[in-house]
Amino acid sequence: KNEVEQSPQNLTAQEGEFITINCSYSVGISALHWLQQHPGGGIVSLFMLSSGKKKHGRLIATINIQEKHSSLHITASHPRDSAVYICAVQPNTGNQFYFGTGTSLTVIP
Amino acid sequence: DAGVTQSPTHLIKTRGQQVTLRCSPKSGHDTVSWYQQALGQGPQFIFQYYEEEERQRGNFPDRFSGHQFPNYSSELNVNALLLGDSALYLCASSVGPSNYGYTFGSGTRLTVV
Repeated sequence: KNEVEQSPQNLTAQEGEFITINCSYSVGISALHWLQQHPGGGIVSLFMLSSGKKKHGRLIATINIQEKHSSLHITASHPRDSAVYICAVQPNTGNQFYFGTGTSLTVIP
Repeated sequence: DAGVTQSPTHLIKTRGQQVTLRCSPKSGHDTVSWYQQALGQGPQFIFQYYEEEERQRGNFPDRFSGHQFPNYSSELNVNALLLGDSALYLCASSVGPSNYGYTFGSGTRLTVV
């Protein structure tokens, strides 16, 4: 049983397309993180959300606490956006994070 | 301002050996968490250290142990290495056990042959 489910697992898009990655979770949370992991391993935190919506450049993240669902959107996708995007939740109790298995995005020029 | 620093970046060990991985937290952070990420999987929580004590532990055997030093840096030790221990080991630091400001390092790629 996974506390965090992501979809799709793999995604291939043409440059310029609008991309959506979804995350559903089953536990009560204090925050949700969207992370970006490039080949080689390094993880970068894109957003931390506890409600509503956040935007940074071409990236938009939304969360619906009642529905236990979050989405990451990439507008005007570019080949440099190719990476694995991971959803991670910070539960209300306990100290560990729960991670989704990631969405592998490839943007083709 | 340095982020989370992990060393070494890559490591090859033989089955049965022991390995030590190191993590220096981001400046101002006092809590360190360790994760194992197998190929194609999300990170799995190993344990968290705060105030030089292990505060929470995931579902990993006793072969996995750790330590936190007074300067908040941390080590992950794995004894009697198995082929299945090959993975990317990620360290994350934060302020206090509430995980404020959670920041990941780039990881150590361990290969067991």
